[in-house]
Parts: sequence; C-alpha cells; structure tokens
Amino acid sequence: KAGVTQTPRYLIKTRGQQVTLSCSPISGHRSVSWYQQTPGQGLQFLFEYFSETQRNKGNFPGRFSGRQFSNSRSEMNVSTLELGDSALYLCASNIQGAGETQYFGPGTRLLVL
Amino acid sequence: AQSVTQLDSQVPVFEEAPVELRCNYSSSVSVYLFWYVQYPNQGLQLLLKYLSGSTLVKGINGFEAEFNKSQTSFHLRKPSVHISDTAEYFCAVSPPVSGSARQLTFGSGTQLTVLP
Repeated sequence: KAGVTQTPRYLIKTRGQQVTLSCSPISGHRSVSWYQQTPGQGLQFLFEYFSETQRNKGNFPGRFSGRQFSNSRSEMNVSTLELGDSALYLCASNIQGAGETQYFGPGTRLLVL
Repeated sequence: AQSVTQLDSQVPVFEEAPVELRCNYSSSVSVYLFWYVQYPNQGLQLLLKYLSGSTLVKGINGFEAEFNKSQTSFHLRKPSVHISDTAEYFCAVSPPVSGSARQLTFGSGTQLTVLP
C-alpha cells in the first residue's frame, strides 16, 4: 500500500497570503489528522477529520481550517499568513478507533516571509 | 487534559552502548502511550505503543519500552545502538475512549545522537 502523501513538500509564501495543503491518506483509512511542528512549540494537534466531519480541533486560531472529501483526502487552509505560521505541517491517517496506529506523511514545510 | 514530559532534549551515546530515553506523562484518565521516531526531513514513524496488557512492549529496530503506572512513565530503551538510530524521538499519549478523536499529545522530543 502506498503511504500517506502530502503535497506540496515545500512552500514559500509571504505574510498576508493564504495557503492550501493537501493530504492523501492510506487507502482505506478514514481518519485524517493534521499537526504543526515548530522548533519552539513542538508538535501540536490542529484538527482531525473522519467521514468528512471535523471530529476534534486543537487550540489554533480560526485562520486555520480544513476539510475532508468523500475519498478521505484532506486539505488544510491557512489564511492571512503570519511569520509564526512557518512550520512543518504533518498529516496522519488511520482506519479508526482509539489506539490505532497513526501513519504520518513526510510533511509540507511552509516558510512565510 | 494530558501532558508529556521528555526529560532529556539531547542524548549523545557511543555506538553499541545501551540507551534509555525518558518519558513521563500526566493525565487524569488512563491513556494510550506511543513512541515515534523522526529522521531528518521525514515524517514520524511509530516505534511501539502500549494500549493494555503486558507493561513491557517491544517495537521495531530492537527498541522496547516499559509502562510504569505508579511512576506515570514510559521510558524507551535499546540495549545496543547503531549509527542509524540517530534521530529525534517523540513520546506521545492519546485518550483511549473508543470513537473519540485520534488526538496525540506529544512531548518536546529527544535528539539521540549515536557517536562512532
């Protein structure tokens, strides 16, 4: 099976712009979670989608949003980018069920100038 | 709410020596426990997890971890490390409630550097 794929892998944007990141989960996985990784804050949970519904959301401002499509692919959007949004954004998928292994993609590295 | 503390931000160790990476957690409810590894410019890979049962959990690449409920710890160990084990290691917890979100709470990470 192919792993979790994320596109693009690298992205450079300027302050005030918006960005959309894409994640394709492992085939058959219905849950997709997003995490932000920065040197200062570490790995932080953004949100989780299951069957096209947001099931949980972390403590991030409303500029961060996401959605999931019927094929389980997910996108996250960040509007009005700030310098502090520079980070590695990781997507993870699993089938469902607490304790299930989450499989992570390679991430999208976003640099905001 | 849960929290995870990884006591050592950097651990240098010589090749073929044993290593222990420490992890303590705080939670008002029982949790599931995980160790992930991240190699440079890559995502996270699961090393092992504890859901229930035996407190000694064996994972990939010769790693193992022991769950200690009384000390709320989940330390990762390897009896003999290789250069290829150089990476960042993350301890994580998640709530065990069936049907709930798959939210992982991570520690701040431990950079393991294996020296020749």
